[in-house]
Amino acid sequence: DAGITQSPRHKVTETGTPVTLRCHQTENHRYMYWYRQDPGHGLRLIHYSYGVKDTDKGEVSDGYSVSRSKTEDFLLTLESATSSQTSVYFCAIGRAQETQYFGPGTRLLVL
Amino acid sequence: GEDVEQSLFLSVREGDSSVINCTYTDSSSTYLYWYKQEPGAGLQLLTYIFSNMDMKQDQRLTVLLNKKDKHLSLRIADTQTGDSAIYFCAEENNAGNMLTFGGGTRLMVKP
Repeated sequence: DAGITQSPRHKVTETGTPVTLRCHQTENHRYMYWYRQDPGHGLRLIHYSYGVKDTDKGEVSDGYSVSRSKTEDFLLTLESATSSQTSVYFCAIGRAQETQYFGPGTRLLVL
Repeated sequence: GEDVEQSLFLSVREGDSSVINCTYTDSSSTYLYWYKQEPGAGLQLLTYIFSNMDMKQDQRLTVLLNKKDKHLSLRIADTQTGDSAIYFCAEENNAGNMLTFGGGTRLMVKP
């Protein structure tokens, strides 16, 4: 497996609280991605990064922010979690043409 | 925008062939991908096809691409119980830095 870890792997939180998910890679890939996976929707891109401090929005970016201060870490923050953000979140590395490798996922439940 | 459609469910008997279908909308996609997701795990790249090809074979997997109809299929020969999983097709955007996923097809293989 490509060296991608996500933390935490599971989280339960309350509506209105901030939540930060971390993706860590040891492959020195320039591109990193955050997706959410929901039944019937497949994976949808939230944000992606093409380098340190370089990020851009994906299809479902509202309510999420990201930061990339180091090549190896890509953080996803829910500033004020809502129940609609209950999902499984996947981090991926690597540009599409060079194959994307996925992390193990983080299950987030917002009560 | 880009849209990728898949049927939700496919059931086959062990030893039969499975064919999973996908339609996409972005005619400028350069690469199209098939990913496999086992329960509780992230996505694993199975295979991909370049848009100037109409077929690619990789052991038990055959990918067929009909670019005119924007139709992609994945054939799994001699399907095994270990092939039971959710299969996602994905197309890339023009810039080659984002993937759009279908909703996934759940393959169930009966012994």
